[in-house]
Amino acid sequence: GAGVSQSPSNKVTEKGKDVELRCDPISGHTALYWYRQRLGQGLEFLIYFQGNSAPDKSGLPSDRFSAERTGESVSTLTIQRTQQEDSAVYLCASSLEAGGPYEQYFGPGTRLTVT
Amino acid sequence: GQNIDQPTEMTATEGAIVQINCTYQTSGFNGLFWYQQHAGEAPTFLSYNVLDGLEEKGRFSSFLSRSKGYSYLLLKELQMKDSASYLCAAMDSNYQLIWGAGTKLIIKP
Repeated sequence: GAGVSQSPSNKVTEKGKDVELRCDPISGHTALYWYRQRLGQGLEFLIYFQGNSAPDKSGLPSDRFSAERTGESVSTLTIQRTQQEDSAVYLCASSLEAGGPYEQYFGPGTRLTVT
Repeated sequence: GQNIDQPTEMTATEGAIVQINCTYQTSGFNGLFWYQQHAGEAPTFLSYNVLDGLEEKGRFSSFLSRSKGYSYLLLKELQMKDSASYLCAAMDSNYQLIWGAGTKLIIKP
């Protein structure tokens, strides 16, 4: 079956502009995660959804970052007034459920470059 | 605080064995994951341990000691395609994954 997909694969934007990143999880996966990975570094947890709810938003770096999920399916991560330090690969992952030892399946990521 | 430690980089020879160590400190514990990430690609799942002991899966094995907060990933019969970063992640009491920075494994012929 289809894996996790993300769009766009690459995004170049000017400082101060807003960007929207999209994630389509594996069908039937109720949990969805967003991570940020800077070049040569590990994964930085941003937010996760169980269904359409986000129980833990503590990982969002600032109030410029927001995320939503609808229909227990697609999710969008929005970054307002982008800054150069936002440049990174944004990875989305999904799993069967959030509250259990289920492996996360990752999408290919969106590479964001803020100029 | 919560923390994962693993070596930044390791080098090994094709055909040999390598052990990548990981120590963790988390608020509660619900298991330890290992993922493989090739350069420019997304991480892919390798193993999950929640009980003490060794889990073997082909050329790859993963070990866990809960009392020591320690895990290792053992790769046997190394192949060039095993060159990648290996990410250790511990699941805390809220079932949130705490990720290490990854170990870059370089395989030499």
